[in-house]
Amino acid sequence: FILTQPHAVSESPGKTITISCTGSSGSLARSYVQWYQQRPGSAPTTVIYEDNKRASGVPDRFSGSIDRSSNSASLTISGLKTEDEADYYCQSYDTNNVVFGGGTKLTVL
Amino acid sequence: QVQLQESGPGLVKPSETLSLMCSVSGSSISGYYWSWIRQPPGKGLEWIGYIHHSGDSKYSSSLKSRVTISQDTSKKQFSLNLRSVTAADTAVYFCARGVFGVVFNNYYYGMDVWGQGTTVTVSS
Repeated sequence: FILTQPHAVSESPGKTITISCTGSSGSLARSYVQWYQQRPGSAPTTVIYEDNKRASGVPDRFSGSIDRSSNSASLTISGLKTEDEADYYCQSYDTNNVVFGGGTKLTVL
Repeated sequence: QVQLQESGPGLVKPSETLSLMCSVSGSSISGYYWSWIRQPPGKGLEWIGYIHHSGDSKYSSSLKSRVTISQDTSKKQFSLNLRSVTAADTAVYFCARGVFGVVFNNYYYGMDVWGQGTTVTVSS
């Protein structure tokens, strides 16, 4: 299955932004979604797991949600900081297959 | 502190086999699903496959015909072999620790610890 994310988003510091992740038909009906942050030249790190749980050390400005009826998940970052500028990937699982979204480049300007 | 470290050649010739190893420290091998993921230059993440400590392994459908993931549990290492490589296999290769489960009838697979990645270039 496929997870679709916007290629890029941008917002000003202090604002709130939401990144969407839409699954192909029914793909998120029975699978949790994870979100990873990747800064340039670094490995990804977990931001959100099991749809809406923050990984250790992740500030509560980050939150995840899912709407299984519409097969979509979202990552919301409030109080944007310049340090949040990174690529964000959603990821899920379906029948022995691990899938990443194409990634969203977040610019904070 | 859990750490994963990839190692292997940074340059592989076309049609040859890419071989990488991931060494695990600070974590048991048991109970986890150990993944390989790659990222071509300027592109997104692509899952390659995983192996469970039991030996069970699963691979991406797009790479399945060319990939083997194996492990040496006594050394806490797992390896990636990718055969018949082409320039399209040029990428940063990451290993990662994965957790799999079924929670409230929903499947969960997530990767909580990643290696720093190693760059592999396929070129003659």
